[in-house]
Formats: sequence, C-alpha cells, structure tokens
Amino acid sequence: GESVGLHLPTLSVQEGDNSIINCAYSNSASDYFIWYKQESGKGPQFIIDIRSNMDKRQGQRVTVLLNKTVKHLSLQIAATQPGDSAVYFCAENQGSWGKLQFGAGTQVVVTP
Amino acid sequence: DADVTQTPRNRITKTGKRIMLECSQTKGHDRMYWYRQDPGLGLQLIYYSFDVKDINKGEISDGYSVSRQAQAKFSLSLESAIPNQTALYFCATSDPDRPDTQYFGPGTRLTVL
Repeated sequence: GESVGLHLPTLSVQEGDNSIINCAYSNSASDYFIWYKQESGKGPQFIIDIRSNMDKRQGQRVTVLLNKTVKHLSLQIAATQPGDSAVYFCAENQGSWGKLQFGAGTQVVVTP
Repeated sequence: DADVTQTPRNRITKTGKRIMLECSQTKGHDRMYWYRQDPGLGLQLIYYSFDVKDINKGEISDGYSVSRQAQAKFSLSLESAIPNQTALYFCATSDPDRPDTQYFGPGTRLTVL
C-alpha cells in the first residue's frame, strides 16, 4: 500500500499471477482518482481513472476498485507481465481542478 | 515525437547557481504543471499555469519561479540552487475538459553540489 517515507513499499509478483496494489486516500471530498505507472527513467503514465460515483472500472488487464466507506483504492493487474514492473502511484483530486495529491508509490517487481 | 519534452534531461550544478529547466508540449493543452519527485516520495506540485496569463503557486514554490512564454512552453527556474533541491523534476500538461488527466514529460534529473 501507499506510505510516505524513503522506502517504497514493494510488491513482488510472479509472472502470470494477478497483482493488487492498494492505496489509502485522505480526503473524503475527493471525487476523482487516477492510477499512474512510472517506469525507470520515465515520467508517470496514465493507466486508469475512476470517479467517486463509481466503485469499479475496468480497462485492458487493469481494474480499479473504489471503497469510499474506508477511503481505499486498489489497482488490480491481471496476468502480470515483465513489462508491468514499475512504480505505481495513486492520485486524488482534492476538489480543485487539476490539482492532484499523489501517494508515495508502490514498486512492483515481476519475477519469472 | 514525444508530446511533452523537457530539457535538459540531466544537469549537475553548484550551490548558488541559477538554473532553468524547460518544458515544451505539442498536445495543445492550456494547463501546464511543474512537479518535484524525491526518492521514495510522491510528486509534489511546485507551480501550475492554467493559461499564459494565469500562474499559481503549488505546495512547494519557495526557491522556484516560473515563466509561461507561450501556450506550449513553461519554464522552471531555480534562482540560487541549493543542495536540497536535488531531485527529479517533471513537467505535465492537461486539457481543461479533463484537467485531472495529466500527461508527463520524461523528467529532468537535477543535482546541486
């Protein structure tokens, strides 16, 4: 899950397994959430988003789940591949257009 | 060609020097952002601009300034660099119709000695 500090949480996943990355957000007024993927040496890349009036959204091999009751967001990656190795960030919109609050990130390592 | 480009990609400088990081975009977006990323931490917003005449401070603007020369160009300056400004710097853009979907450049790694 997300945390603040110098050491990123790391999720080690075997190739072909499903990955679940968790994120706790802080502001109950946030109405938009995004997952970004950051590969080594690159900028963050948009993966999928979800609005607060939804609890699930699916993309290609990815699913985002939103639980507003406990302020929890998760990203599920199906059939994880070596190319999925990256740092994954969740971000929330705190009610001001375009101003996102980012989590610290989770390092996903895919093992053969 | 990349939609959001940043120059330089790497820079090493000394304390007290003035540094400018540049960002250009071909996405036609009005909104542009500068973020800083430190190891093990998320992205922190330095400055953001909704259009050429609208520039706003983010959460960590002290020690930085920006210039929006055109819709496509947004520069970040460190007037007098200090070692704790050593970090990765990212520029991003977004469309007003989808302001929360931000597109990031490749980043500039800045080291201040």
